[in-house]
Amino acid sequence: KQEVTQIPAALSVPEGENLVLNCSFTDSAIYNLQWFRQDPGKGLTSLLLIQSSQREQTSGRLNASLDKSSGRSTLYIAASQPGDSATYLCAVRSDNYGQNFVFGPGTRLSVLP
Amino acid sequence: GAVVSQHPSRVICKSGTSVKIECRSLDFQATTMFWYRQFPKQSLMLMATSNEGSKATYEQGVEKDKFLINHASLTLSTLTVTSAHPEDSSFYICSAGAGGAFFGQGTRLTVV
Repeated sequence: KQEVTQIPAALSVPEGENLVLNCSFTDSAIYNLQWFRQDPGKGLTSLLLIQSSQREQTSGRLNASLDKSSGRSTLYIAASQPGDSATYLCAVRSDNYGQNFVFGPGTRLSVLP
Repeated sequence: GAVVSQHPSRVICKSGTSVKIECRSLDFQATTMFWYRQFPKQSLMLMATSNEGSKATYEQGVEKDKFLINHASLTLSTLTVTSAHPEDSSFYICSAGAGGAFFGQGTRLTVV
């Protein structure tokens, strides 16, 4: 059974800091991994999707890396802004457990002005 | 990119009534759709896999008679919460396409 964990559970930083969110998964046989943003009471916004054959993906101030063999992914946010405040979810689609995504518990980020 | 539309975004219903949530793939056909549930301060958990033209597959612990799923066409799956109770209050979200990578906007259900 695939399990996904995220560290830290919560993070509060001053505006302008660069930060790293961590995601770990137990079964390295993944198809892809996706990072989402969820604002309070809202749905999911897809940030970055990394296929199993890729090492990283970048979009603006966001960079996600994938080390499949060690079961880890990191989301790097550069020059954080108050508008980045949200919960960040990591989700993994496995080769062995169907086509659905398994979600981590999320990291709740607060960027203080 | 592919678009998945979910409706309604919010619904409040009385205990004992049924609520239907729709999930549509707008620009592609989806033989499989996924339904997830998120309780307050928890992450999303897969409830069931909806298969066009056949029965849905439910995850362990999810009551199939309470959460009725119908996937009658290649662009529409519906989730009906029957005889809803306050403990069913949750955030429900669907996904489809490319291995379920595209998510709807979600539905916040409140049962009073």
